[in-house]
Amino acid sequence: NAGVTQTPKFQVLKTGQSMTLQCAQDMNHNSMYWYRQDPGMGLRLIYYSASEGTTDKGEVPNGYNVSRLNKREFSLRLESAAPSQTSVYFCASSVEVAGNGELFFGEGSRLTVL
Amino acid sequence: AQRVTQPEKLLSVFKGAPVELKCNYSYSGSPELFWYVQYSRQRLQLLLRHISRESIKGFTADLNKGETSFHLKKPFAQEEDSAMYYCALSTGFQKLVFGTGTRLLVSP
Repeated sequence: NAGVTQTPKFQVLKTGQSMTLQCAQDMNHNSMYWYRQDPGMGLRLIYYSASEGTTDKGEVPNGYNVSRLNKREFSLRLESAAPSQTSVYFCASSVEVAGNGELFFGEGSRLTVL
Repeated sequence: AQRVTQPEKLLSVFKGAPVELKCNYSYSGSPELFWYVQYSRQRLQLLLRHISRESIKGFTADLNKGETSFHLKKPFAQEEDSAMYYCALSTGFQKLVFGTGTRLLVSP
């Protein structure tokens, strides 16, 4: 039982390049999320998916796209990377019970855009 | 707008000293608050939730609606408590709003 798995763990891009961060969970959770973590900013929600087939914008969605491929997988795509997207990205999943509040996080993906 | 404020970036204490990590929130609805912790080289994980009124690893947190606070407390800090702590507010459907985090450093 691996929980939430993200790939890659590290990536360096040049400005304008594209890439996709992959996330998979094996806990049969309905909800999945992408956060970014920046120094002094905490974690900010980029996109989330309440269930398979649905996605919604979070606090900082600009410059990103997501795909909920199936119940297990939720990918984050940067179409044209910018230095401002240098960050640590976290995928998370949860049961959808309101108020439960327990998100299960992946190990993070450190992205540097030059 | 929903907001979580953690005023301290770094809190440094000695082993055995009391610890209080501050968290204030802004939310017009009925708040549901949580503390998450990230130990070095580990994943971010839930520490405790206010609705459970539980004590985890000696930590407690009381929701004070009058002061809109949810401070995390421990009477005697241990070195293994050194970590990054995030306060979080649920705005519905597991959409958590996180504070900026406080790094707790417990020295021997």
